[in-house]
Amino acid sequence: QVQLQESGPGLVKPSQTLSLTCTVSGASIRSGGYFWSWIRQHPVKGLEWIGYIHYSGSTYYNPSLKSLVTISVDTSENQFSLRLSSVTAADTAVYYCARMDWNYYFFDSWGQGTLVTVSS
Amino acid sequence: ETVLTQSPGTLSLSPGERATLSCRATQSVGSNYLAWYQQKPGQAPRLLIYGASSRATGIPDRFSGSGSGTDFTLTISRLEPEDFAVFYCQQYGSSPTFGQGTRLDI
Repeated sequence: QVQLQESGPGLVKPSQTLSLTCTVSGASIRSGGYFWSWIRQHPVKGLEWIGYIHYSGSTYYNPSLKSLVTISVDTSENQFSLRLSSVTAADTAVYYCARMDWNYYFFDSWGQGTLVTVSS
Repeated sequence: ETVLTQSPGTLSLSPGERATLSCRATQSVGSNYLAWYQQKPGQAPRLLIYGASSRATGIPDRFSGSGSGTDFTLTISRLEPEDFAVFYCQQYGSSPTFGQGTRLDI
């Protein structure tokens, strides 16, 4: 059974870069049929998809965040990572990594989530 | 961007009753690309339904999904105490978007 676990700082200063890593266990990131995604949940705005990556390195980002987001993959470590630059208080949210089925585009496995607060 | 609007915002029911949750899209959604999730406090969302009507692995058959085009429905036939939570729909058009959620209260 696949498991995902987010890790990274829980506090980031405004204008700095948020960096999170998702470690996948129980399945290989190289297994076919999936994209590896980042999603965040704001207390008020709800769930927002950030972007996804295929193990080959191809990416697709939310157009509203595209200029600020980079997602990368490390197949040797079975991990993928998120970088969100120039953060503001509006980026305070619970960040989830999730596995996305590439045929039906649903998220079938999620990490437990990690709260990132943007504050000086 | 396709916007999903869920209704009602809050639904108050009792165990044993039937729940009907609605999800309406601003543009037609391919039926293959509509999913439903359940989220309990402090937990990540859990996949219930994909492809508008297919139950995910391990999901009880009291959960069912239907609909096409712009109107989709999640039905819980007989509510169990553990079913009370927040439910989200999600679509994939050009990029994934989620509804704002329906809270199901006892």
